[in-house]
Amino acid sequence: EVQLVESGGGLVRPGGSLRLSCAASGFTFRSSNMNWVRQAPGKGLEWVSFISTSTSYIYYADSTKGRFTISRDNAKNLLYLQMDSLRAEDTGVYYCARDILPCSSTTCYGLDYWGQGTLVTVSS
Amino acid sequence: SYQLTQPPSVSVSPGQTASITCSGDKLGDKYACWFQQKPGQSPVLVIYQNTRRPSGIPERFSGSNSGNTATLTISGTQAVDEADYYCQAWDRSTYVFGSGTKVTVL
Repeated sequence: EVQLVESGGGLVRPGGSLRLSCAASGFTFRSSNMNWVRQAPGKGLEWVSFISTSTSYIYYADSTKGRFTISRDNAKNLLYLQMDSLRAEDTGVYYCARDILPCSSTTCYGLDYWGQGTLVTVSS
Repeated sequence: SYQLTQPPSVSVSPGQTASITCSGDKLGDKYACWFQQKPGQSPVLVIYQNTRRPSGIPERFSGSNSGNTATLTISGTQAVDEADYYCQAWDRSTYVFGSGTKVTVL
């Protein structure tokens, strides 16, 4: 059974940092592209970042570029999101999610498995 | 940046057909997928590559994508289908989500 379990969320002051982790099991983690997606309270889904299997390709949403860093440890089946210079608008539930298929040269195809999410609250 | 537009809400009677649209520039040239999210739960993929259903998703869920519009259709809508639905597509190295549609089964 595919499982994705996020951890590391909590309350942090504006300008602070937080590191999220996502533990993967039940599939070949090193063969799957991974993502972080967030959802502000009462709002819609917002894609945050993508990392390819071997970390050759890393992408960020404009709202997080330069402040967030995605990484992975394929030996430990772990996905990370380092979040620095946090702002109030970064508050929300953060999900890790797996790409359903390998991307082609021009497109990726969507996210099939999601974790339960971890709540990040940025407030003074 | 690329944008996907969905109606905020759709209402449907039990047993009837619900259609949820997702509009974006030349969306038909991309692959669209759809997620269902119920309150307090993580999103669930219901359609990918425009028309394909993941294992375990009921046949009453179907999708299409042409021109500037992708559509999720729920045939024979049931009370359990009441949820928020989001479309998604890939554009220039980013995933883009639609704004979401709340489906109410009256």
